[in-house]
Amino acid sequence: AQKITQTQPGMFVQEKEAVTLDCTYDTSDQSYGLFWYKQPSSGEMIFLIYQGSYDEQNATEGRYSLNFQKARKSANLVISASQLGDSAMYFCAMRGFNQAGTALIFGKGTTLSVSS
Amino acid sequence: NAGVTQTPKFQVLKTGQSMTLQCAQDMNHNSMYWYRQDPGMGLRLIYYSASEGTTDKGEVPNGYNVSRLNKREFSLRLESAAPSQTSVYFCASTELTVGYGYTFGSGTRLTVV
Repeated sequence: AQKITQTQPGMFVQEKEAVTLDCTYDTSDQSYGLFWYKQPSSGEMIFLIYQGSYDEQNATEGRYSLNFQKARKSANLVISASQLGDSAMYFCAMRGFNQAGTALIFGKGTTLSVSS
Repeated sequence: NAGVTQTPKFQVLKTGQSMTLQCAQDMNHNSMYWYRQDPGMGLRLIYYSASEGTTDKGEVPNGYNVSRLNKREFSLRLESAAPSQTSVYFCASTELTVGYGYTFGSGTRLTVV
């Protein structure tokens, strides 16, 4: 069965600092995708970044990068130069191709608090 | 605006009442999903529809039924609501043949008293 583990319930960082949110995954699929979503207090789910299992380079989107270590089955999100607006819940998710019709499987999330 | 529309946004039910959560997408996506979000639990898959005419159970289907009315619409029904179904419900859709994006609705906050 597929599983996503986020071991940090909460993280605290100061503005302009970098922060890493941890994510490990478990799957028997050879082909899969890894996602990070942001959920601010308003509740909407905002897509941040995607990494395919066959992508050789780590994905980057502006201040977001995904540190993909396939052998360790980890897909950590790195936010550079944190901003107050980054305070939110962050979810790591995985899409496999063998189960649940390509539904996303989510971790339990990490709450990030950015202070000035 | 293209996207996923969920109705209602808020609902309070009494135990034992029934209701249907509506979801519609206008992006011609084949696959649609229902999730529930509870504090500390992340989003858990209730039901999904890989394509029009098909539905399947996810991780937490008990107490729910779904209908894929057409390609656009995917509804979630609570036949006899229970306090344990108090949650925020999200609908999502995707069309993997044209990319990897999943689009989420804004959510329905349901309270069962």
